[in-house]
Amino acid sequence: NAGVTQTPKFQVLKTGQSMTLQCAQDMNHNSMYWYRQDPGMGLRLIYYSASEGTTDKGEVPDGYNVSRLKKQNFLLGLESAAPSQTSVYFCASSYLDGTGNTEAFFGQGTRLTVV
Amino acid sequence: KNQVEQSPQSLIILEGKNCTLQCNYTVSPFSNLRWYKQDTGRGPVSLTIMTFSENTKSNGRYTATLDADTKQSSLHITASQLSDSASYICVVRRSGGYNKLIFGAGTRLAVHP
Repeated sequence: NAGVTQTPKFQVLKTGQSMTLQCAQDMNHNSMYWYRQDPGMGLRLIYYSASEGTTDKGEVPDGYNVSRLKKQNFLLGLESAAPSQTSVYFCASSYLDGTGNTEAFFGQGTRLTVV
Repeated sequence: KNQVEQSPQSLIILEGKNCTLQCNYTVSPFSNLRWYKQDTGRGPVSLTIMTFSENTKSNGRYTATLDADTKQSSLHITASQLSDSASYICVVRRSGGYNKLIFGAGTRLAVHP
């Protein structure tokens, strides 16, 4: 009964380092998302993927890249980490049925600190 | 501009008391509105969904209301418990497109014994 699993849970990077955040879902959802959550702000969409092999930019995509090679996995890459990317990152997935009423399920989050 | 504003930012109540959280939105065109509960260190979990035609919906001790005319929603928590301590996030979905979720910043609720 895993749902959405993110790894790692915590990460500290030095400025300029690169890393990949991993997300896996076992609900056979077609859509997956990456959000960041900063203090005092609502979650903001970084990238989303409507289906395997497709990705689109969200509200704040600069400095990130994504990959959706398999339906169950959605990877978020930081090419050259900057302190402004210090945040909590959430992966989510949902099944789109055309009504827009389906629920998005979230992972537990990855707390990233860039020093 | 599509926005979701929540009030208050934070709230402290005593165990057993009731409280009401507010959400005002300017999102258009409107599809639905969800209230999520986010425990510390966890991801958000949906409590309830409100569509355009619904005015009130309950989920246990949680009751959500929606006034689509004034673009306001509220979440009422009855007989609060310590486990209700969390952030409550209002999320409005725009019609059209794959993902048009607009998140509020949340209300942080602390229930004290």
